[in-house]
Amino acid sequence: VQLQQSGPGLVRPSQTLSLTCAISGDTVSSNLAAWNWIRQSPSRGLEWLGRTFYRSKWYFEYTPSLKSRMTINPDTSKNHFSLQLNSVTSDDTAVYYCARQVEAFQFDYWGQGTLVPVSS
Amino acid sequence: DIVMTQSPDSLVVSLGERATINCKSSQSVLYSSNNKNYLAWFQQKPGQPPKLLIYWASTRESGVPDRFSGSGSGTDFTLTISGLQAEDVALYYCQQYYTIPLTFGQGTRLEIK
Repeated sequence: VQLQQSGPGLVRPSQTLSLTCAISGDTVSSNLAAWNWIRQSPSRGLEWLGRTFYRSKWYFEYTPSLKSRMTINPDTSKNHFSLQLNSVTSDDTAVYYCARQVEAFQFDYWGQGTLVPVSS
Repeated sequence: DIVMTQSPDSLVVSLGERATINCKSSQSVLYSSNNKNYLAWFQQKPGQPPKLLIYWASTRESGVPDRFSGSGSGTDFTLTISGLQAEDVALYYCQQYYTIPLTFGQGTRLEIK
């Protein structure tokens, strides 16, 4: 399994942060995995943002503090999933990771990480 | 939210010695129906994503050296590294997957004396 992240490396304040995580060696619609976004910053440490998974239908779960600003979208045709975080501020500056969970349990594979500074 | 608190924040250990890192959760992460602790340990080196070491509190991930071991149950957990090697210098994190939001400890920095 490999997770390859892509997306812009700089976002302006009040704009939308968009990242994509391309999956190889598994499928985004697997019934045995969940697909997560996590970020890491010196001030917040490792912070789980949210996940999507498919169990006969799609499920989406978000951390409460960001729920109103974020969306995770799976794309079965491209076998990837994406993160959108709206109305960003400097507080959203972090390294963003995508990660696979085995069912809804441990994170076993991670993307390489993307540093996203929020700056004008 | 379940708060994960690690101790110590940093640790200096001699090569070949044992390192012990503790993790305490603000509520139990033991699921009574299957008697499993929903707790994982990760190692992170600079510029790299976290690497899974231990899950279910004590199950070693495939490929992880057997000098890494996990123990504990309920709210109190320990990661032990026996026979410390130079490549073990890293940050170590515990993480609970018992309930959302999933949460991590603040990290413990391990250095060689």
